[in-house]
Amino acid sequence: DAGITQSPRHKVTETGTPVTLRCHQTENHRYMYWYRQDPGHGLRLIHYSYGVKDTDKGEVSDGYSVSRSKTEDFLLTLESATSSQTSVYFCAISDPGRKNTEAFFGQGTRLTVV
Amino acid sequence: GESVGLHLPTLSVQEGDNSIINCAYSNSASDYFIWYKQESGKGPQFIIDIRSNMDKRQGQRVTVLLNKTVKHLSLQIAATQPGDSAVYFCAETRGNSGYALNFGKGTSLLVTP
Repeated sequence: DAGITQSPRHKVTETGTPVTLRCHQTENHRYMYWYRQDPGHGLRLIHYSYGVKDTDKGEVSDGYSVSRSKTEDFLLTLESATSSQTSVYFCAISDPGRKNTEAFFGQGTRLTVV
Repeated sequence: GESVGLHLPTLSVQEGDNSIINCAYSNSASDYFIWYKQESGKGPQFIIDIRSNMDKRQGQRVTVLLNKTVKHLSLQIAATQPGDSAVYFCAETRGNSGYALNFGKGTSLLVTP
């Protein structure tokens, strides 16, 4: 999977608790993305990063924050998890300087908020 | 909001036949259109892309056609194989959005023997 590791792979958490998902890459790609995938919605962009400490919001960013303190790590935080955030979360990386349409995806994190 | 959408949620074809998966889009400002394949339990995988100023692009057993007049995109898979069974997503991207992908909902392709 192109040197992308998501952790944890599965998590069950309670409503109102904070949750952090981690994406780690070994490809030195500049861009990193967090998507969520839900039945009937396909994949939707939450946040993305175009460099260390440079991030921007996506289509469904409410309730999520991100941080990128190093090129290789992109963290997604749910400050206070809600049941509507139960989903499968995918991290992706790309390097527009090489090929700007080919994003590489991680294996996903299945998050259940109860 | 969504600017790409697929016509059919499921498609069943026989092994060896050609498959055609369709997609409509609404955003004329897209720079590229891309097709991704997602197998069960995995992340999406890049198949082929086409720049918005092109009409056709061919890869290995796959062809993407872009009709800008009617804002329609299609993926043709020749001699479909069981390993092609997956969910296929069309997506569009723009340089001014960090090349983030805007996905359609997906078509599930089932290849029967």
